Amino acid sequence: ETGVTQSPTHLIKTRGQQVTLRCSSQSGHNTVSWYQQALGQGPQFIFQYYREEENGRGNFPPRFSGLQFPNYSSELNVNALELDDSALYLCASRELAGLSTGELFFGEGSRLTVL
Amino acid sequence: ILNVEQSPQSLHVQEGDSTNFTCSFPSSNFYALHWYRWETAKSPEALFVMTLNGDEKKKGRISATLNTKEGYSYLYIKGSQPEDSATYLCAFHNTDKLIFGTGTRLQVFP
Repeated sequence: ETGVTQSPTHLIKTRGQQVTLRCSSQSGHNTVSWYQQALGQGPQFIFQYYREEENGRGNFPPRFSGLQFPNYSSELNVNALELDDSALYLCASRELAGLSTGELFFGEGSRLTVL
Repeated sequence: ILNVEQSPQSLHVQEGDSTNFTCSFPSSNFYALHWYRWETAKSPEALFVMTLNGDEKKKGRISATLNTKEGYSYLYIKGSQPEDSATYLCAFHNTDKLIFGTGTRLQVFP
């Protein structure tokens, strides 16, 4: 059983650029969520996808967008990067959505630095 | 605004000491309370998912309790070992998302 994998592990961008982060969910999981962890903070919920549709969103502007593919892999896209977008981005998958209380399985994260 | 508070922020203990941390969360719209263990340069790993008031869960030397009416959970580590050094995150499960605290960073010295 393969775990959650994320790519790239590190990347550096400049203000105004766009970035795409990728996540491969754990086998059998149909729900993926993305979190942003800024320095000194806990992970903040960005959004969640279930069967290729967004079904939950945190307090992030529309320039944060995502996709989930039929094989349940996922992308996080951020447009018009700002300095404050520098953070660790975590992807997490689980088997069910809705009121499931199932644990999340996390990747190791993609660390984004915006200069 | 839903807030999850964890204390202390960091903790340094000697090998063999027992320790505990606190997680405070909103007492309304409760679905579950999660605890995760996060070692440096690794991914967070689930310790417990707790759903019922009065729940107590145990995994080896680590145990947790839950009080949903007053909105707190305790995580206990008995006889801490250096390999327990990690950040311990709690997360309040609210409808479709988890709201995380900022974590308790535990360092266990041999």
